[in-house]
Amino acid sequence: AQKITQTQPGMFVQEKEAVTLDCTYDTSDQSYGLFWYKQPSSGEMIFLIYQGSYDEQNATEGRYSLNFQKARKSANLVISASQLGDSAMYFCAMSVVGSTLGRLYFGRGTQLTVWP
Amino acid sequence: NAGVTQTPKFQVLKTGQSMTLQCAQDMNHNSMYWYRQDPGMGLRLIYYSASEGTTDKGEVPNGYNVSRLNKREFSLRLESAAPSQTSVYFCASSEESSRGSPLHFGNGTRLTVT
Repeated sequence: AQKITQTQPGMFVQEKEAVTLDCTYDTSDQSYGLFWYKQPSSGEMIFLIYQGSYDEQNATEGRYSLNFQKARKSANLVISASQLGDSAMYFCAMSVVGSTLGRLYFGRGTQLTVWP
Repeated sequence: NAGVTQTPKFQVLKTGQSMTLQCAQDMNHNSMYWYRQDPGMGLRLIYYSASEGTTDKGEVPNGYNVSRLNKREFSLRLESAAPSQTSVYFCASSEESSRGSPLHFGNGTRLTVT
């Protein structure tokens, strides 16, 4: 069974500071992918960043980076220089090759609040 | 480029009523998905379609049916709505079914069953 755990229901960070959102996963498969999505209060789901299990470098996309520690089965999202617009719910998700054709398993999310 | 379009955005049903949620994508994606989001639960897969003409059950398929009408459209039907189906429903698509393809989501349908 695949499982994604996000242990932080809520996080607070001051504007311009960096913040790390935790994600651990559980799978017996060797080939998988890890995703982070942002859901602002308006409700849409926005893709942020992807890390493949065989990727040697940590993924980065602008102010977002994924701290991938394969041995610890963690895929934490780091947001640098937080902005007020980063306030949202953040979901970690995993896909597994060969299971159900790339479907995603989602964690329960972390609500990030950025204050001025 | 509209991406993934869902209709309606909001719907209120009485227990036992039926309805169909519509979804269309204009990105020429092969794979399409229906998820539901409940408070504190993240997103859970209801049904998916890897290609036109094929559909498969996800994690929570009971009470739902789907139709992959063509490559663009993937509809979700509730035959007899129940209060437990009160949720936010997301349609999504992806370019391929490999592990690296991100899902592109519609804006969601907020459904309330009374």
